[in-house]
Amino acid sequence: EVQLLESGGNLVQSGGSLRLSCAASGFAFSTYVMTWVRQAPGKGLEWVAGISAIDGGTYYADSVKGRFTISRDNSKNTLYLQMNSLRAEDTALYYCANSVSYAMDVWGQGTTVTVSS
Amino acid sequence: QTVVTQEPSFSVSPGGTVTLTCGLSSGSVATGNNPSWYQQTPGRAPRTLIYNTNARSSGVPDRFSGSIVGNKAALTITGAQADDESDYYCLLYLGSGIRVFGGGTKLTVL
Repeated sequence: EVQLLESGGNLVQSGGSLRLSCAASGFAFSTYVMTWVRQAPGKGLEWVAGISAIDGGTYYADSVKGRFTISRDNSKNTLYLQMNSLRAEDTALYYCANSVSYAMDVWGQGTTVTVSS
Repeated sequence: QTVVTQEPSFSVSPGGTVTLTCGLSSGSVATGNNPSWYQQTPGRAPRTLIYNTNARSSGVPDRFSGSIVGNKAALTITGAQADDESDYYCLLYLGSGIRVFGGGTKLTVL
């Protein structure tokens, strides 16, 4: 069974940093594009960042570019999101998902990030 | 900045058919945008319905179908059921690794 388990969410002050993790199991992690998506309270989904399987290329939404870094450790089947210079508007439930054909396939249950101002 | 547009809300009668759309603020949606669709009920993670315009994700019933209609991507639900009442989001690939979600459509079945 494909599983994605996010962790690392917490309450942090504005300007602070946090690292999210997503532990993957049940599929060939190293061969999949991986993605972070977030959802602010009461709002819609927002694509945040993606990382290629082949060359490790990374891609970011304009709202997080320069502040967030997506990375992966294929030896640990784990995806990461390093979040720096956090702002109140980064408060959200953060999901990781594996990607098939430019779409999300399987989703985790999410981890909550709250940024206090 | 390109915005992905969806109807904010829609309603359908039980057993009826509804088509939700997904457009671009500038330009037309094409298969190269690899439209995908997601269903989300309150308090739950999204569920993938459709990818690559019209491919159904594993376990998705065939009453959900995707297409391009005119200059927009479309999700059609035939024989709507009560548990189809959810938020529906589309996602478009805009090139250079960038994807953008639409604002979502709240579907009511009544």
